Amino acid sequence: GENVEQHPSTLSVQEGDSAVIKCTYSDSASNYFPWYKQELGKRPQLIIDIRSNVGEKKDQRIAVTLNKTAKHFSLHITETQPEDSAVYFCAAGNRGNTPLVFGKGTRLSVIA
Amino acid sequence: DAGVIQSPRHEVTEMGQEVTLRCKPISGHNSLFWYRQTMMRGLELLIYFNNNVPIDDSGMPEDRFSAKMPNASFSTLKIQPSEPRDSAVYFCASSMGNPNTEAFFGQGTRLTVV
Repeated sequence: GENVEQHPSTLSVQEGDSAVIKCTYSDSASNYFPWYKQELGKRPQLIIDIRSNVGEKKDQRIAVTLNKTAKHFSLHITETQPEDSAVYFCAAGNRGNTPLVFGKGTRLSVIA
Repeated sequence: DAGVIQSPRHEVTEMGQEVTLRCKPISGHNSLFWYRQTMMRGLELLIYFNNNVPIDDSGMPEDRFSAKMPNASFSTLKIQPSEPRDSAVYFCASSMGNPNTEAFFGQGTRLTVV
């Protein structure tokens, strides 16, 4: 089955700097790659997703890139702000009858 | 729609007691997932349903865990008997169409077994 590895497990950046979180997956059939943000004590919520027919997607300060050949995808947050502090999860899935497999999460701390 | 609704939000129970967690998915969603979140293991899929039918329960840790979905608007996760190592946050999520579209999570149930 699918296996998703996520790095780093913790990340601290200064406010205004960029943050990058990387994930790798094992199943070449996976074609859907969402990223979830979980604030302390709250539920995970989708912030951006990408499908395998595109290599990059942007939404304001966040962007995701996908390299299907290497089986890795990354989340980029620019101009970080304190409210970006949270745990971020990557996930992978395919169109078969299987649900999303999540990475173990990255705890991002943005220091003002 | 109010989103995925879970109850209770918090549950503290004694070891050996039965615990039942409840979930109401978003109306129109036909896939429902139960996840367990711990610091050590992250978000683990326990079981998921498609059109009320259990598809994969290989993530259920032991026979003490069981889940049902009697209709499209309700699911339960039961632990009997509960043990301290079951302490975690349990999330229910739902999605529509193919299982691999956006999954919407409930607020979670924080379970503490003492």
